[in-house]
Amino acid sequence: DAGVTQSPTHLIKTRGQQVTLRCSPKSGHDTVSWYQQALGQGPQFIFQYYEEEERQRGNFPDRFSGHQFPNYSSELNVNALLLGDSALYLCASHYPGEWAQETQYFGPGTRLLVL
Amino acid sequence: AQSVSQHNHHVILSEAASLELGCNYSYGGTVNLFWYVQYPGQHLQLLLKYFSGDPLVKGIKGFEAEFIKSKFSFNLRKPSVQWSDTAEYFCAVNARNAGNMLTFGGGTRLMVKP
Repeated sequence: DAGVTQSPTHLIKTRGQQVTLRCSPKSGHDTVSWYQQALGQGPQFIFQYYEEEERQRGNFPDRFSGHQFPNYSSELNVNALLLGDSALYLCASHYPGEWAQETQYFGPGTRLLVL
Repeated sequence: AQSVSQHNHHVILSEAASLELGCNYSYGGTVNLFWYVQYPGQHLQLLLKYFSGDPLVKGIKGFEAEFIKSKFSFNLRKPSVQWSDTAEYFCAVNARNAGNMLTFGGGTRLMVKP
């Protein structure tokens, strides 16, 4: 049973560019959340997708957008990259449930470096 | 909005020493509480969680945590650490009015000397 997978593992971009990160949830999970983990900090919630819609969003600008596909996989898009977007981007999935009663399973992350 | 504080950023212990990592949160309502661990080169894994009931929860690998509502704390403990416990530990909170969003603390990096 595959866990949460993410691609690519590493990515280097320059300021102003756009990036797309991908996530496949753990088998049986239909809810996907994205987190940003800057160096030396804890993960910060970006947004969550359920039934192909953004269900909840953290305190991130509109440059950060996402999508969920019918097979529950998800993409995170970041436009107009800034140096400060350099971070580890984590995807987490879980079964649908009330207010985090379901354990979130995290993927290995995509490390993005913006030069 | 809720926030989480982990006061110890770096902890160094010798094997067999006891461990206690502090976690305090700020939110006045009902919360779910979690401890996640990230071993070197691996992804975040759930150690334990508290939703309701007995405030002393036991997790994997001999870890436990105690929820003290009056102190807004959820400290992680282990009576005797091993070298393999070297990792970064994150406390996380989910508040009832925050959907499924987890708010994480800044993490505590634990190094256990053999």
